Amino acid sequence: EAQVTQNPRYLITVTGKKLTVTCSQNMNHEYMSWYRQDPGLGLRQIYYSMNVEVTDKGDVPEGYKVSRKEKRNFPLILESPSPNQTSLYFCASSLSFGNYGYTFGSGTRLTVV
Amino acid sequence: SQKIEQNSEALNIQEGKTATLTCNYTNYSPAYLQWYRQDPGRGPVFLLLIRENEKEKRKERLKVTFDTTLKQSLFHITASQPADSATYLCALVGGSYIPTFGRGTSLIVHP
Repeated sequence: EAQVTQNPRYLITVTGKKLTVTCSQNMNHEYMSWYRQDPGLGLRQIYYSMNVEVTDKGDVPEGYKVSRKEKRNFPLILESPSPNQTSLYFCASSLSFGNYGYTFGSGTRLTVV
Repeated sequence: SQKIEQNSEALNIQEGKTATLTCNYTNYSPAYLQWYRQDPGRGPVFLLLIRENEKEKRKERLKVTFDTTLKQSLFHITASQPADSATYLCALVGGSYIPTFGRGTSLIVHP
């Protein structure tokens, strides 16, 4: 089944403790991205990647890192999480940017205390 | 700054009727406009994409129109069913590689 897989689904952590949210797609998509969704603010893009070893900032990149060493994986790294990063996170992929719809993962609900 | 507006109030309709959702935008020249469905706590699901040079796109009970003069897209669901109840998001894709999503409109279809 074609899908984007995110892990973990739920995560509670403490301020400052580094964490990684994994994202993997099995569709050979070139484009991958990370979003956060907050009430009243909608989906906002954190980082995106046009292909392996090519990443760039989205609208809200502060406090996040990403890497794209393989085409299928695009992990999101929070080096020192803070409470304002408590949010619902989605990974998405697409065959290419713009003229194809995005396939989203099921989401990761992160709580930083 | 770029702005997308979708009705923040929920749209309540009776089963069998046509639901029409609106997406308005300003300060934007999108090349593509996409519509997604999102259920609570789940990831958005892609429904339709329409290009700037297209006026209308259909897929089964769904229809999308795109008016670049009015800077507006309408999303229609005909013969709506309670299972269509969800939040519907529009997304604009322009010159940058950062798509802009609206906040979504909640649709509630009553049996």
